[in-house]
Amino acid sequence: GENVEQHPSTLSVQEGDSAVIKCTYSDSASNYFPWYKQELGKRPQLIIDIRSNVGEKKDQRIAVTLNKTAKHFSLHITETQPEDSAVYFCAASIPQGGKLIFGQGTELSVKP
Amino acid sequence: DVKVTQSSRYLVKRTGEKVFLECVQDMDHENMFWYRQDPGLGLRLIYFSYDVKMKEKGDIPEGYSVSREKKERFSLILESASTNQTSMYLCASVRDRGINEQFFGPGTRLTVL
Repeated sequence: GENVEQHPSTLSVQEGDSAVIKCTYSDSASNYFPWYKQELGKRPQLIIDIRSNVGEKKDQRIAVTLNKTAKHFSLHITETQPEDSAVYFCAASIPQGGKLIFGQGTELSVKP
Repeated sequence: DVKVTQSSRYLVKRTGEKVFLECVQDMDHENMFWYRQDPGLGLRLIYFSYDVKMKEKGDIPEGYSVSREKKERFSLILESASTNQTSMYLCASVRDRGINEQFFGPGTRLTVL
């Protein structure tokens, strides 16, 4: 079955710097790759997603890139702010599966 | 606005007790999921359901069962709670089996003593 590996497990950056989180997946049939943000004490919420027919997607300060050949995808956050501090999860989904396989999570800390 | 609610935010039970965790969604979603969240392990899928009275095992079903008698409600059952089931439990729902956003409940922090 699908397996998703996420790195790093923790990431600390200064406010204004960029942050990059990387994920690899094992099942080449996976075609949907969402990213969820979970603030302390709150539920995970979708922040951006990408489908396998697209190589890059951007939404203001966040962007996601997908390399299908290498089977990895990344989350990029530019101009980080303290409110970006949270745990971020990547995930992958196979066609018509409906279910997501999540990575282990990255705890991002943005220091003012 | 999709709402996914869980019956308890915090729960403390004793080893051997039968535990019920309830999840309700109000958007007529077909699919519902139960995950447990542990530090360093991410979200691991316990069970999921594509329709009423249907259930499928996820990656870590041992020690758990589920019930889906109504479309909006998905229950996770710990038949005999053990200390290694102390965890955060998250419920999620999604519209259908296509590629869609999963909406999460607030989570239940279960402690088994």
